[in-house]
Amino acid sequence: EVQLLESGGGLVQPGGSLRLSCAASGFTFGTYAMTWVRQAPGKGLEWVSTISVSGDYIYYADSVKGRFTISRDNSKNTLYLQMSSLRAEDTAVYYCAKHRLPVPGTWWFDSWGQGTLVTVSS
Amino acid sequence: EIVLTQSPATLSLSPGERATLSCRASQSVSTYLAWYQQRPGQAPRLLIYEASNRATGIPARFSGSGSGTDFTLTISSLEPEDFAVYYCQQRSIGRVTFGQGTRLEIK
Repeated sequence: EVQLLESGGGLVQPGGSLRLSCAASGFTFGTYAMTWVRQAPGKGLEWVSTISVSGDYIYYADSVKGRFTISRDNSKNTLYLQMSSLRAEDTAVYYCAKHRLPVPGTWWFDSWGQGTLVTVSS
Repeated sequence: EIVLTQSPATLSLSPGERATLSCRASQSVSTYLAWYQQRPGQAPRLLIYEASNRATGIPARFSGSGSGTDFTLTISSLEPEDFAVYYCQQRSIGRVTFGQGTRLEIK
Protein backbone atom coordinates (compact mmCIF):
# COMPACT_ATOMS: atom_id res chain seq x y z
CA GLU A 1 0.00 0.00 0.00
CA VAL A 2 1.31 3.41 -0.99
CA GLN A 3 1.84 5.70 1.97
CA LEU A 4 2.97 9.32 1.97
CA LEU A 5 3.55 11.01 5.30
CA GLU A 6 4.24 14.73 5.41
CA SER A 7 5.85 16.44 8.37
CA GLY A 8 7.54 19.69 9.27
CA GLY A 9 4.59 22.05 9.22
CA GLY A 10 3.90 24.57 11.94
CA LEU A 11 3.69 28.23 12.83
CA VAL A 12 6.36 30.50 11.38
CA GLN A 13 6.75 34.25 11.28
CA PRO A 14 6.65 36.17 8.01
CA GLY A 15 10.08 36.09 6.40
CA GLY A 16 10.93 32.84 8.15
CA SER A 17 11.86 29.44 6.80
CA LEU A 18 10.56 25.91 7.14
CA ARG A 19 11.42 22.54 5.63
CA LEU A 20 8.72 20.03 4.86
CA SER A 21 9.39 16.33 4.45
CA CYS A 22 7.35 13.60 2.83
CA ALA A 23 8.28 10.03 3.75
CA ALA A 24 7.20 7.52 1.11
CA SER A 25 6.62 3.80 1.38
CA GLY A 26 4.81 1.02 -0.45
CA PHE A 27 6.26 1.79 -3.89
CA THR A 28 9.62 2.25 -5.58
CA PHE A 29 10.06 5.92 -4.70
CA GLY A 30 13.10 6.39 -6.89
CA THR A 31 11.17 5.66 -10.08
CA TYR A 32 8.34 8.20 -9.71
CA ALA A 33 8.25 11.95 -10.15
CA MET A 34 6.77 13.73 -7.13
CA THR A 35 4.83 16.93 -6.60
CA TRP A 36 3.83 19.34 -3.84
CA VAL A 37 0.32 20.82 -3.90
CA ARG A 38 -1.06 23.25 -1.34
CA GLN A 39 -4.50 24.31 -0.21
CA ALA A 40 -5.13 27.53 1.67
CA PRO A 41 -7.84 27.32 4.34
CA GLY A 42 -11.23 27.04 2.69
CA LYS A 43 -9.74 27.45 -0.78
CA GLY A 44 -8.92 25.28 -3.78
CA LEU A 45 -5.86 23.33 -4.80
CA GLU A 46 -2.70 25.07 -5.98
CA TRP A 47 0.24 23.29 -7.60
CA VAL A 48 3.54 24.26 -5.96
CA SER A 49 6.42 22.25 -7.43
CA THR A 50 7.39 19.04 -9.21
CA ILE A 51 10.64 17.10 -9.30
CA SER A 52 11.66 14.37 -11.70
CA VAL A 53 12.98 10.98 -10.64
CA SER A 54 16.62 11.99 -10.53
CA GLY A 55 16.03 15.66 -9.76
CA ASP A 56 17.24 16.72 -13.21
CA TYR A 57 13.96 18.45 -13.96
CA ILE A 58 12.38 20.76 -11.42
CA TYR A 59 9.41 23.06 -11.89
CA TYR A 60 7.86 25.73 -9.68
CA ALA A 61 4.73 27.79 -9.62
CA ASP A 62 5.44 31.47 -10.20
CA SER A 63 4.10 32.22 -6.73
CA VAL A 64 6.95 30.32 -5.03
CA LYS A 65 9.79 30.53 -7.54
CA GLY A 66 12.96 31.84 -5.95
CA ARG A 67 11.67 31.19 -2.43
CA PHE A 68 10.94 27.44 -2.34
CA THR A 69 13.27 24.57 -3.23
CA ILE A 70 12.11 21.05 -3.92
CA SER A 71 14.49 18.13 -3.52
CA ARG A 72 14.49 14.41 -2.92
CA ASP A 73 16.67 11.73 -1.41
CA ASN A 74 15.91 8.47 -3.16
CA SER A 75 18.10 6.54 -0.71
CA LYS A 76 15.81 7.70 2.10
CA ASN A 77 12.55 7.55 0.14
CA THR A 78 11.90 11.14 1.11
CA LEU A 79 10.73 14.28 -0.69
CA TYR A 80 11.47 17.75 0.68
CA LEU A 81 10.26 21.30 0.29
CA GLN A 82 12.51 24.01 1.66
CA MET A 83 10.49 27.18 2.10
CA SER A 84 12.02 30.56 2.79
CA SER A 85 10.92 34.19 2.81
CA LEU A 86 7.53 32.94 3.85
CA ARG A 87 4.48 35.16 3.47
CA ALA A 88 1.03 35.12 4.97
CA GLU A 89 -0.33 33.93 1.63
CA ASP A 90 1.79 30.78 1.92
CA THR A 91 -0.46 29.63 4.76
CA ALA A 92 -1.92 26.33 3.61
CA VAL A 93 -2.03 22.61 4.00
CA TYR A 94 0.82 21.20 1.95
CA TYR A 95 0.33 17.82 0.31
CA CYS A 96 2.91 15.64 -1.36
CA ALA A 97 1.63 13.58 -4.24
CA LYS A 98 2.94 10.68 -6.27
CA HIS A 99 2.68 10.70 -10.05
CA ARG A 100 0.57 7.95 -11.53
CA LEU A 101 3.18 6.17 -13.64
CA PRO A 102 6.96 5.83 -13.53
CA VAL A 103 7.32 7.48 -16.91
CA PRO A 104 7.88 11.14 -17.81
CA GLY A 105 4.86 13.19 -18.72
CA THR A 106 2.28 11.49 -16.50
CA TRP A 107 1.38 14.46 -14.39
CA TRP A 108 -1.61 12.86 -12.73
CA PHE A 109 -1.41 12.39 -8.97
CA ASP A 110 -2.76 9.04 -7.83
CA SER A 111 -1.62 9.03 -4.20
CA TRP A 112 -1.58 11.89 -1.72
CA GLY A 113 -0.40 12.32 1.82
CA GLN A 114 -2.66 13.61 4.56
CA GLY A 115 -1.06 17.03 4.41
CA THR A 116 0.85 19.23 6.84
CA LEU A 117 -0.36 22.68 7.86
CA VAL A 118 1.93 25.67 7.48
CA THR A 119 0.78 28.86 9.15
CA VAL A 120 2.67 32.08 8.46
CA SER A 121 1.75 34.68 11.03
CA SER A 122 3.30 37.05 13.52
CA GLU B 1 -0.90 30.04 -18.04
CA ILE B 2 -3.87 27.87 -18.88
CA VAL B 3 -6.88 28.77 -16.75
CA LEU B 4 -9.49 26.14 -15.93
CA THR B 5 -13.00 27.35 -15.18
CA GLN B 6 -15.40 24.95 -13.50
CA SER B 7 -19.16 25.23 -13.49
CA PRO B 8 -21.36 25.36 -11.66
CA ALA B 9 -19.67 26.50 -8.46
CA THR B 10 -22.22 24.56 -6.46
CA LEU B 11 -24.51 21.76 -7.60
CA SER B 12 -27.40 20.65 -5.41
CA LEU B 13 -28.77 17.20 -6.19
CA SER B 14 -30.32 14.23 -4.45
CA PRO B 15 -28.92 10.70 -4.10
CA GLY B 16 -29.74 8.65 -7.17
CA GLU B 17 -29.71 11.64 -9.50
CA ARG B 18 -27.23 12.22 -12.31
CA ALA B 19 -24.53 14.86 -11.85
CA THR B 20 -22.84 16.71 -14.69
CA LEU B 21 -19.84 18.88 -13.88
CA SER B 22 -18.08 21.07 -16.42
CA CYS B 23 -14.49 22.24 -16.82
CA ARG B 24 -13.45 24.67 -19.53
CA ALA B 25 -9.83 25.44 -20.42
CA SER B 26 -8.68 28.84 -21.65
CA GLN B 27 -6.83 27.11 -24.49
CA SER B 28 -6.68 23.57 -25.80
CA VAL B 29 -5.21 20.95 -23.50
CA SER B 30 -5.97 18.08 -25.89
CA THR B 31 -7.01 15.29 -23.50
CA TYR B 32 -4.50 16.17 -20.80
CA LEU B 33 -7.08 16.70 -18.10
CA ALA B 34 -7.81 14.94 -14.82
CA TRP B 35 -10.58 15.06 -12.22
CA TYR B 36 -10.20 14.74 -8.45
CA GLN B 37 -12.66 14.33 -5.62
CA GLN B 38 -12.02 15.86 -2.21
CA ARG B 39 -14.18 14.99 0.76
CA PRO B 40 -14.11 17.23 3.86
CA GLY B 41 -10.92 16.81 5.85
CA GLN B 42 -9.40 14.45 3.32
CA ALA B 43 -6.76 14.63 0.64
CA PRO B 44 -7.85 14.74 -2.99
CA ARG B 45 -8.43 11.45 -4.80
CA LEU B 46 -7.74 10.89 -8.49
CA LEU B 47 -10.91 9.88 -10.33
CA ILE B 48 -10.23 10.38 -14.04
CA TYR B 49 -7.04 11.00 -16.00
CA GLU B 50 -6.46 11.90 -19.64
CA ALA B 51 -10.06 13.09 -19.84
CA SER B 52 -11.80 9.72 -19.85
CA ASN B 53 -9.77 7.04 -18.09
CA ARG B 54 -10.94 5.92 -14.67
CA ALA B 55 -8.23 5.61 -12.07
CA THR B 56 -7.69 2.38 -10.20
CA GLY B 57 -10.57 1.49 -7.91
CA ILE B 58 -12.92 4.22 -9.12
CA PRO B 59 -16.52 3.04 -9.53
CA ALA B 60 -18.02 2.84 -13.00
CA ARG B 61 -20.63 5.49 -12.16
CA PHE B 62 -17.87 8.07 -12.65
CA SER B 63 -17.08 8.93 -16.26
CA GLY B 64 -15.20 11.68 -18.02
CA SER B 65 -15.43 13.07 -21.51
CA GLY B 66 -14.22 15.90 -23.67
CA SER B 67 -11.16 17.17 -25.47
CA GLY B 68 -9.64 20.47 -26.42
CA THR B 69 -11.22 23.06 -24.15
CA ASP B 70 -14.46 21.50 -22.88
CA PHE B 71 -14.65 18.61 -20.45
CA THR B 72 -17.34 16.91 -18.41
CA LEU B 73 -17.36 14.69 -15.35
CA THR B 74 -20.53 12.67 -15.04
CA ILE B 75 -21.70 10.72 -12.02
CA SER B 76 -24.49 8.52 -13.28
CA SER B 77 -26.33 7.89 -10.02
CA LEU B 78 -25.22 9.74 -6.92
CA GLU B 79 -24.31 7.81 -3.82
CA PRO B 80 -24.17 9.54 -0.40
CA GLU B 81 -20.36 9.41 -0.40
CA ASP B 82 -20.18 11.31 -3.69
CA PHE B 83 -21.15 14.62 -2.12
CA ALA B 84 -17.81 16.42 -2.07
CA VAL B 85 -15.77 19.01 -3.96
CA TYR B 86 -14.49 18.13 -7.43
CA TYR B 87 -11.49 19.67 -9.15
CA CYS B 88 -10.24 19.44 -12.69
CA GLN B 89 -6.51 19.65 -13.41
CA GLN B 90 -4.45 20.12 -16.55
CA ARG B 91 -0.81 19.76 -17.21
CA SER B 92 1.25 21.64 -19.74
CA ILE B 93 5.01 21.62 -20.08
CA GLY B 94 6.38 22.19 -16.61
CA ARG B 95 3.18 23.59 -15.21
CA VAL B 96 -0.01 22.39 -13.59
CA THR B 97 -3.24 24.25 -12.92
CA PHE B 98 -6.41 23.28 -11.11
CA GLY B 99 -9.91 24.57 -11.56
CA GLN B 100 -11.51 26.40 -8.67
CA GLY B 101 -13.72 23.45 -7.81
CA THR B 102 -17.38 22.45 -7.91
CA ARG B 103 -19.08 21.68 -4.64
CA LEU B 104 -21.63 18.88 -5.00
CA GLU B 105 -24.08 19.14 -2.14
CA ILE B 106 -27.13 17.20 -1.05
CA LYS B 107 -30.40 18.82 -2.00
